[in-house]
Parts: sequence; structure tokens; C-alpha cells
Amino acid sequence: DAKTTQPTSMDCAEGRAANLPCNHSTISGNEYVYWYRQIHSQGPQYIIHGLKNNETNEMASLIITEDRKSSTLILPHATLRDTAVYYCIVRAGGDYGQNFVFGPGTRLSVLP
Amino acid sequence: SQTIHQWPATLVQPVGSPLSLECTVEGTSNPNLYWYRQAAGRGLQLLFYSVGIGQISSEVPQNLSASRPQDRQFILSSKKLLLSDSGFYLCAWSVSSNQPQHFGDGTRLSIL
Repeated sequence: DAKTTQPTSMDCAEGRAANLPCNHSTISGNEYVYWYRQIHSQGPQYIIHGLKNNETNEMASLIITEDRKSSTLILPHATLRDTAVYYCIVRAGGDYGQNFVFGPGTRLSVLP
Repeated sequence: SQTIHQWPATLVQPVGSPLSLECTVEGTSNPNLYWYRQAAGRGLQLLFYSVGIGQISSEVPQNLSASRPQDRQFILSSKKLLLSDSGFYLCAWSVSSNQPQHFGDGTRLSIL
């Protein structure tokens, strides 16, 4: 079972920031928070991950609360190509045998 | 930069026929390699992973097998396909178990 809960769907206006929340209240100390997205008929695309510090890369920013029980993925300037299903996943590093447990994710629709 | 290639993109096979799906990675050496299956609307199930040439670990006993004949080549096979083998098969690679996995675009397999 997925260890995360996310809203089923969200809309965002093109050019605006998209803020996607994720709750992971049972996260363990050695588990990272990963974000992937999947466009229909394609493989999941890695976006960003973090342990406890906020992270930023060329695609997005990840804000993790101090208690690590929730996080927010921020796409600073959403475009139509950002329309996809976004998955928040918690997973321990170093464990090859652990599945990537994708929950239903958040279906983000970027509107013109 | 690193790239991962999977083929074919789609495949329709009769029950009882053999299967061979191929995955190659470019731009990195000695990657960890993975095969997943994604059922419609569900998460990813890890099938096999490999940390080196000839080293295969199986996560789920089933009708499938995997091989790694070269450093950056990972093959998923079956001698006789079952109806239950239908699904979306994804190959992924990572630098190490502590680093994110990067997925190919997948093969959609339909068994008739």
C-alpha cells in the first residue's frame, strides 16, 4: 500500500506556480521523498527527491516540513506540457528489493 | 547525458509464444538495472534487478526471466506467455541504490 496521500486532481493556470501537496505521516527516518510524473503511455519521469532539507533543481522545488510528515512539489511556472499524473513516493535508499509504490497520484491539468 | 531505450513500444503476442524485451542504457557505466510491470491504474511491481553483468535478482516468482549479457543491456524473457503477463513493462536504471531510478518509455504487452 502507498505510504502517501495526495489530492486526486488539481488545476493550474499556465504560467502560474503549481503547488502539489503530499502527506506522508508515517515516514521513517531513512526514507526519502521522491516525486515522479507520468504522461499517458510513457514511463515515469523523475522530478526531484529529498530527505529532510528543501531541494531545488531545474524542474521543480521540493519543500519538506520540519516534522517530515508532509511535502509540497512546486512547479514555478507551469506549462501545458506539465499536464500529467504526479506521484509522491516514500522509499528507503539502499533497498533494491523495495517496490516503487505508486499510489493514484495527483492528476494536474494546466489550463491555457 | 544518460539515456535509456526500450523496444518495442507495443507488442501483441499469442498465449504460449515466447517473449524478449530489450533495454539498453547509454552514457553511464555499471548501472543498476531494473524491470517493472505496471498494471492499469496501479503501481509499479519490481520484477528483477541487476547490479552487474550476469547478476540477476528476482523479486516475484513467475513466468518471466531476465538476463544481463552486457553491462548496459537488460533483457526480459519468457518461454511461454500467459494471459496474465499482459501489462506495461518498464525498464529503469540508477547509479546506485541510493539514487533515483530513471525509467524508459515502456513496452505495452497484450496477450491474446
